[in-house]
Amino acid sequence: GNSVTQMEGPVTLSEEAFLTINCTYTATGYPSLFWYVQYPGEGLQLLLKATKADDKGSNKGFEATYRKETTSFHLEKGSVQVSDSAVYFCALSAYSGAGSYQLTFGKGTKLSVIP
Amino acid sequence: DAGITQSPRHKVTETGTPVTLRCHQTENHRYMYWYRQDPGHGLRLIHYSYGVKDTDKGEVSDGYSVSRSKTEDFLLTLESATSSQTSVYFCAISSGQGAGEQYFGPGTRLTVT
Repeated sequence: GNSVTQMEGPVTLSEEAFLTINCTYTATGYPSLFWYVQYPGEGLQLLLKATKADDKGSNKGFEATYRKETTSFHLEKGSVQVSDSAVYFCALSAYSGAGSYQLTFGKGTKLSVIP
Repeated sequence: DAGITQSPRHKVTETGTPVTLRCHQTENHRYMYWYRQDPGHGLRLIHYSYGVKDTDKGEVSDGYSVSRSKTEDFLLTLESATSSQTSVYFCAISSGQGAGEQYFGPGTRLTVT
């Protein structure tokens, strides 16, 4: 079956530090890949996506590249801010029939950014 | 932001009582999903719907049932709540287009005592 593995947290960084959150996946076929972000007390928000190999998704200074050869989709940001403190989820989308796609999530990585 | 609301947002109930959570969307999306979120488990799919009256089971469906009588509403019912069902429940919707991305509601925190 499909699975997503992301680095264990929590991760604590100082403001303006470089961020990397690792994500690898196992899937049959060619899934689409996503990063979602969850701020405290809220639902998940789509942060970025990539739909095929070598695609780079980017949003709000975050970016991730779909690497088929290493089955990875690592999240990066060059300079984090306190407002980036949240839980980040890597996910893949696979077709499940009846026109429906199902998401498989990693367990989440909590990021705390300190001033 | 996608128009998704969940009600109630918080609920405390006793073991053995029935509980129904509601998800309402204003996007006219065909697909709707219920997940639960627990520490150390990420999000796990409970049930999903691919149209009015069309539903199917997800990874952790035991103890849960769903109904969808209108496009905009997807109900999750715990027939007899247990303490193991204490969790945060999220509804999500998808148009089925694009890459299959889903958009999430704000969540319902359910505590079963």
